Amino acid sequence: DQQVKQNSPSLSVQEGRISILNCDYTNSMFDYFLWYKKYPAEGPTFLISISSIKDKNEDGRFTVFLNKSAKHLSLHIVPSQPGDSAVYFCAAARVTDYKLSFGAGTTVTVRA
Amino acid sequence: DVKVTQSSRYLVKRTGEKVFLECVQDMDHENMFWYRQDPGLGLRLIYFSYDVKMKEKGDIPEGYSVSREKKERFSLILESASTNQTSMYLCASSPREGFHSPLHFGNGTRLTVT
Repeated sequence: DQQVKQNSPSLSVQEGRISILNCDYTNSMFDYFLWYKKYPAEGPTFLISISSIKDKNEDGRFTVFLNKSAKHLSLHIVPSQPGDSAVYFCAAARVTDYKLSFGAGTTVTVRA
Repeated sequence: DVKVTQSSRYLVKRTGEKVFLECVQDMDHENMFWYRQDPGLGLRLIYFSYDVKMKEKGDIPEGYSVSREKKERFSLILESASTNQTSMYLCASSPREGFHSPLHFGNGTRLTVT
């Protein structure tokens, strides 16, 4: 049973606009959340993370929001660029654990 | 820059064959992981290792084993390959501190079992 769910398999957005990717989790013990980005024929690369003691973390064009009561997090990309076209994976873990649980991924396509 | 190298990009094997997937990292990381990626299922953890000769089962260890004889190398073994093991296999490493230092992934091995 997947503990991390990304219910939108794909997202298409125009260049310059905002991309919003959503992720839900079921395990209330998770206290650390990450987003990874994956291009075809490459391994995933780390994008941004957030600890459960925060509700927002920002890094340049990327912002992650965490709503613990709803067990929901989202990734905002502003403005979206063609190079952002990739698969984005949400992941969650307990800091005391080595195991990351991943969502199924959302494929983002940025249209020129 | 961290480099995680998987020995094969593509592999085609027959049902029943013993298959070895090799992974080497060059950053002296303590932790190493094997994931498989399947459409609609994301990345699922098969096995991980937090030290030489140490291993722990992940979420889907059935049909797999691992070997870590040296710190830099982590091998995934399919004892008797089956068609449902056709997948993209991803190796990753991280330092001891765990997820405050994110995983570094290799480029993957696409395995087809016929």
